[in-house]
Amino acid sequence: SQKIEQNSEALNIQEGKTATLTCNYTNYSPAYLQWYRQDPGRGPVFLLLIRENEKEKRKERLKVTFDTTLKQSLFHITASQPADSATYLCALPPSGGYQKVTFGTGTKLQVIP
Amino acid sequence: SQTIHQWPATLVQPVGSPLSLECTVEGTSNPNLYWYRQAAGRGLQLLFYSVGIGQISSEVPQNLSASRPQDRQFILSSKKLLLSDSGFYLCAWTGQNTEAFFGQGTRLTVV
Repeated sequence: SQKIEQNSEALNIQEGKTATLTCNYTNYSPAYLQWYRQDPGRGPVFLLLIRENEKEKRKERLKVTFDTTLKQSLFHITASQPADSATYLCALPPSGGYQKVTFGTGTKLQVIP
Repeated sequence: SQTIHQWPATLVQPVGSPLSLECTVEGTSNPNLYWYRQAAGRGLQLLFYSVGIGQISSEVPQNLSASRPQDRQFILSSKKLLLSDSGFYLCAWTGQNTEAFFGQGTRLTVV
């Protein structure tokens, strides 16, 4: 079955620096990949979608890359701010015999002032 | 526009009592519906998903069950709660090739 792996360890980063989070997947060739943000006590909120034919996608200070050869997506937050502190999850869409969305376990980002 | 309603926001229930959490979606038809549970500091655990009325797939064996009596209604139930059923429960929906939209979540504490 398809699997997603995110670094389960928390990532601490100094304010103003670029945060980079990693999402790796196996046994799957997704047409696209999504990134979500989850704040404590809330449900995840969609941030970005990147398609298999897109190498890079940007939205304000966010940048996502998608390497289908490596089966990896990188999520970057430039000029990070304390308000960016949250857990970030990647997700794969339903495909083929898999009818469900599959979420990674998420990486907790802490931006230190 | 589409919205998703999940209630209640918090719930404290004694061990052995029944459970019913309800989730409804508005503004879309034939959504894929999901129930997740999240333990403190952990990732989302998919419990059930449904691609249509009466079609329920269970991801993990457990003390819970799910039903979809109407196209946009998804219910999570238990006949007798266990302490281990405590957690943060999230309902979500997706359309065809759309992102997932989550409800506000239910914090369940079994005492």
